[in-house]
Amino acid sequence: AQSVAQPEDQVNVAEGNPLTVKCTYSVSGNPYLFWYVQYPNRGLQFLLKYITGDNLVKGSYGFEAEFNKSQTSFHLKKPSALVSDSALYFCAVRDRDYGQNFVFGPGTRLSVLP
Amino acid sequence: DGGITQSPKYLFRKEGQNVTLSCEQNLNHDAMYWYRQDPGQGLRLIYYSQIVNDFQKGDIAEGYSVSREKKESFPLTVTSAQKNPTAFYLCASSSSIGHLGYGYTFGSGTRLTVV
Repeated sequence: AQSVAQPEDQVNVAEGNPLTVKCTYSVSGNPYLFWYVQYPNRGLQFLLKYITGDNLVKGSYGFEAEFNKSQTSFHLKKPSALVSDSALYFCAVRDRDYGQNFVFGPGTRLSVLP
Repeated sequence: DGGITQSPKYLFRKEGQNVTLSCEQNLNHDAMYWYRQDPGQGLRLIYYSQIVNDFQKGDIAEGYSVSREKKESFPLTVTSAQKNPTAFYLCASSSSIGHLGYGYTFGSGTRLTVV
C-alpha cells in the first residue's frame, strides 16, 4: 500500500530565510514523487517531481527537493522564502511498480512572514 | 490553451437535492479523477476513470455518482444520500496508466455549500 506523511501541519518562516517542508512516503515498489502547491480557492499546481536519476530535482519558483531513498523522504526546500510562497503544499507518491493512482499527503500550510 | 475546466466555481445545494459538478478537459488525457477536500484532511478520492465508459470507486464514493460517456468529460453528481456534502471538489486528469511518470493536472475547483 502507498502512503504519504507530512509531519507538520504548519510551517512558519521569515521572509528571506530558507524553508523546508517535510515529506516521507511508503510504497511497495519504486516511487514517483511529486510536490504540488495550492493557493486559496484554487486547484493544485505542479511544482516538481522525481522520476529517476539525480536525487536533487529543481522545480518552479526556485523550489527544489531531494529524494532520499534510505530515509524514504522527499523534502521540499527553497533557499530564500518569499511572502508570496505562503500557500498549502501537498506531497504525492505513485508506486512505479504496483500503483495506479496518486496518494496525497495531508498538506502543510506554509506561512512566510514579512 | 489546454487545461481542465470545472464549473460552477460556487454551488449551493438545498437539503435533499441532487447537484452535478462539471469537469471538462482538452488535454487528451485518458484518466480523470474527482477529489474532495475538507479543511485539515487533505484530498480524498471519490471516483476515478481510466477510460471512457468505465470508472471505479475511490475511498469515499458513497453518496456520489459519476459518468464517463466522453473522454473529455467526467461529471460528478452529489446525491441526497451524501449527508455532509459541503466541501471543495477538485477534478484532475492524467495521461494513461502506461505513463506513470506524468502527474495530475487539476481544475480550479468547485466549492459546494449546503443551505
